[in-house]
Amino acid sequence: GAVVSQHPSRVICKSGTSVKIECRSLDFQATTMFWYRQFPKQSLMLMATSNEGSKATYEQGVEKDKFLINHASLTLSTLTVTSAHPEDSSFYICSARGPTSDYEQYFGPGTRLTVT
Amino acid sequence: GQNIDQPTEMTATEGAIVQINCTYQTSGFNGLFWYQQHAGEAPTFLSYNVLDGLEEKGRFSSFLSRSKGYSYLLLKELQMKDSASYLCAVCIGNYQLIWGAGTKLIIKP
Repeated sequence: GAVVSQHPSRVICKSGTSVKIECRSLDFQATTMFWYRQFPKQSLMLMATSNEGSKATYEQGVEKDKFLINHASLTLSTLTVTSAHPEDSSFYICSARGPTSDYEQYFGPGTRLTVT
Repeated sequence: GQNIDQPTEMTATEGAIVQINCTYQTSGFNGLFWYQQHAGEAPTFLSYNVLDGLEEKGRFSSFLSRSKGYSYLLLKELQMKDSASYLCAVCIGNYQLIWGAGTKLIIKP
């Protein structure tokens, strides 16, 4: 149980375009999902906390108008990178709070974004 | 501020034992996680400690001392597939995880 999927797994886009990444909890309801970004050889950096039915909470330094988060249902959160630039190229990972544990997070497989 | 320290890289031999340390200074504490992450993949859960002491799970064990702000992950009978990064993360308020930079573990035959 507690499986989280992400789509797409890899995406290449041109500078200036927008990219949407989906995060789904497959066998449980996730009221809270987290979006992380990870650059090569670095740790995970929390970008935002996504709560179903309300606005996402963004970490300091993360532009909310550039990284749009929508958590419209209990099983789906989306991250849209708007007007992407090469410096947005990174590994984006979502996670969801598990159905039984308050603190454990279950991770999606990640999305490798490359902006050319 | 929040700070989590772990060694950048460690090397060990197949079949041996290795201990990866993690020290933390955080504004809150709701438990400490260890995750394994292979290159290009998402982290996978290994362990969760919220009380002091040792938690054993197969070849992996995790220890926590809250008074010392210290944890370690112990890997026994190392296998080549254990080559990965090991991430220490502390849960503070509101389910937020603060992550260490990860320890890259290299296993040699």
